[in-house]
Amino acid sequence: KAGVTQTPRYLIKTRGQQVTLSCSPISGHRSVSWYQQTPGQGLQFLFEYFSETQRNKGNFPGRFSGRQFSNSRSEMNVSTLELGDSALYLCASSGLAGAYNEQFFGPGTRLTVL
Amino acid sequence: DQQVKQNSPSLSVQEGRISILNCDYTNSMFDYFLWYKKYPAEGPTFLISISSIKDKNEDGRFTVFLNKSAKHLSLHIVPSQPGDSAVYFCAASGRRAGGTSYGKLTFGQGTILTVHP
Repeated sequence: KAGVTQTPRYLIKTRGQQVTLSCSPISGHRSVSWYQQTPGQGLQFLFEYFSETQRNKGNFPGRFSGRQFSNSRSEMNVSTLELGDSALYLCASSGLAGAYNEQFFGPGTRLTVL
Repeated sequence: DQQVKQNSPSLSVQEGRISILNCDYTNSMFDYFLWYKKYPAEGPTFLISISSIKDKNEDGRFTVFLNKSAKHLSLHIVPSQPGDSAVYFCAASGRRAGGTSYGKLTFGQGTILTVHP
């Protein structure tokens, strides 16, 4: 079974631009969560989607948004990029609908904002 | 407000010996705990988990112990191998928090484990 895939793997943008990251979960998994990893803050939860609905959201500004498609693939969008948005963005999928479960992570997208 | 803490930034052990990684949590709503291993430029890899109804879970060389009264868990790796060298993250989730827990894992800051041959 293929793992979680994320595209692109690396991205360089400038301040003020917007970016869209993509995540394909493990086949059959319907829950997709997104995380931001930075050296200072560690791994921080962004949001979670299940069956095309956002069920949970972390403490990030509205510039961070996401969506999920009927095939469970998910995208996250960051608008009006700031230097502090430079980070590794990770997505994780889970096969369980419950509130606690094992999540399987993709390799991440490294975003650099100049 | 760091709800999951890994107080040791790094740990160095000799090949063949035991590695013990520690994690503390403050949120009493957490009732499910996981350990992940992460290599540079890769996403975290799930290792082992434990529910709060248990105090121990074992999988091969990996054992996780949970002390609910102390809000403490630990990961034991026996025997340690050089390939175990990575960053280890402790994570927690809580079903009793209802919707605010969906899909959300709260991570510690990680411990860098180095296993010397």
